[in-house]
Amino acid sequence: QKEVEQNSGPLSVPEGAIASLNCTYSDRGSQSFFWYRQYSGKSPELIMSIYSNGDKEDGRFTAQLNKASQYVSLLIRDSQPSDSATYLCAVVRDTGRRALTFGSGTRLQVQP
Amino acid sequence: DAGVIQSPRHEVTEMGQEVTLRCKPISGHNSLFWYRQTMMRGLELLIYFNNNVPIDDSGMPEDRFSAKMPNASFSTLKIQPSEPRDSAVYFCASSLERSNTGELFFGEGSRLTVL
Repeated sequence: QKEVEQNSGPLSVPEGAIASLNCTYSDRGSQSFFWYRQYSGKSPELIMSIYSNGDKEDGRFTAQLNKASQYVSLLIRDSQPSDSATYLCAVVRDTGRRALTFGSGTRLQVQP
Repeated sequence: DAGVIQSPRHEVTEMGQEVTLRCKPISGHNSLFWYRQTMMRGLELLIYFNNNVPIDDSGMPEDRFSAKMPNASFSTLKIQPSEPRDSAVYFCASSLERSNTGELFFGEGSRLTVL
């Protein structure tokens, strides 16, 4: 079992729709959770972080965390073609290991 | 401010040759990470340093790979000898660990092709 699992996609949504991206992780001791966006040929950039159960909203983005289910999601409202990218879920496994472990990413395509 | 600077951006070499990738982290950052990205395996951590000290090198594939951080502003990742399966994009990233935000700042990557 991979430490961080994501559906590779592509996830295709029409412009203006809500895109829902999901991620599960295996280590119950994971402390912190992140969503990075990576455009084709570019490097990853952080878009959201979440540390406690529940929802966290930032503009059109909402991150959701459920530690009991070991599940993290990212919702993108009013999706735009410029949101088309690969979205990487990342976790910090425990306080002793600060490095992020990344999922393989979900490719999102927003159709104009 | 300059971001994380990596060189070379592209490297094409033949199997058996030595490859050295270089990284300059963001000034003031005290953690540095080397990741490798391939289609098959995604983004994998190779090694990370904190205050120039290697903390976790469990992701280094084998003895052919070595990494150094002689000072706070420079790190190298060396592959000797290189093999075709080492072909990947190698990213260097840095962060300020005290912030505990998990925000890594990535360089633009070094795309390595081993023929």
